Amino acid sequence: QKEVEQDPGPLSVPEGAIVSLNCTYSNSAFQYFMWYRQYSRKGPELLMYTYSSGNKEDGRFTAQVDKSSKYISLFIRDSQPSDSATYLCAMSFSNTGNQFYFGTGTSLTVIP
Amino acid sequence: DAGITQSPRHKVTETGTPVTLRCHQTENHRYMYWYRQDPGHGLRLIHYSYGVKDTDKGEVSDGYSVSRSKTEDFLLTLESATSSQTSVYFCAISESVNTIYFGEGSWLTVV
Repeated sequence: QKEVEQDPGPLSVPEGAIVSLNCTYSNSAFQYFMWYRQYSRKGPELLMYTYSSGNKEDGRFTAQVDKSSKYISLFIRDSQPSDSATYLCAMSFSNTGNQFYFGTGTSLTVIP
Repeated sequence: DAGITQSPRHKVTETGTPVTLRCHQTENHRYMYWYRQDPGHGLRLIHYSYGVKDTDKGEVSDGYSVSRSKTEDFLLTLESATSSQTSVYFCAISESVNTIYFGEGSWLTVV
């Protein structure tokens, strides 16, 4: 079983829709949770990170962590065609040598 | 953008030849990583470094070696390239446990 599981999609939504992207994980010791966006033929870029449980909002993006369920989500409000990309979740421990664990990514297409 | 430069960005090479990919950072981050990304597998860690001359293996290290002689440079060498090493390779850097930054990728084709 992989440490981090992510549905690969693909996910296709109309412009303006609310998008929900999710990851589950198996190791309850993860403390930091990150979301990356990767455009085609580009490197992943950090969208946001959260520490432990709770929500974090940045513009149209909201990250949620539910540690009791070992489940994290990224919500995109008012989705735009420019949001079309692959989204990767990542996790790390608080104090063990900067090791990161990635989901395989969910491909999102926002249709104009 | 994080100051990470990968070279070459694209390369075609023949089976059995050695190949070196270079990663250069301007952020003075302690940790540097090499990942490969393949459909269905996502990002897989090849090797990483936690300081000059300090390196360790990742989950897919067979056939790869690395060196870090300066804080800013991390080299990945495919000792004898095989077709299974055709992939896109990403260098990444990190200073804190909550963020890792990626380069733009190096596309390698082994024919």
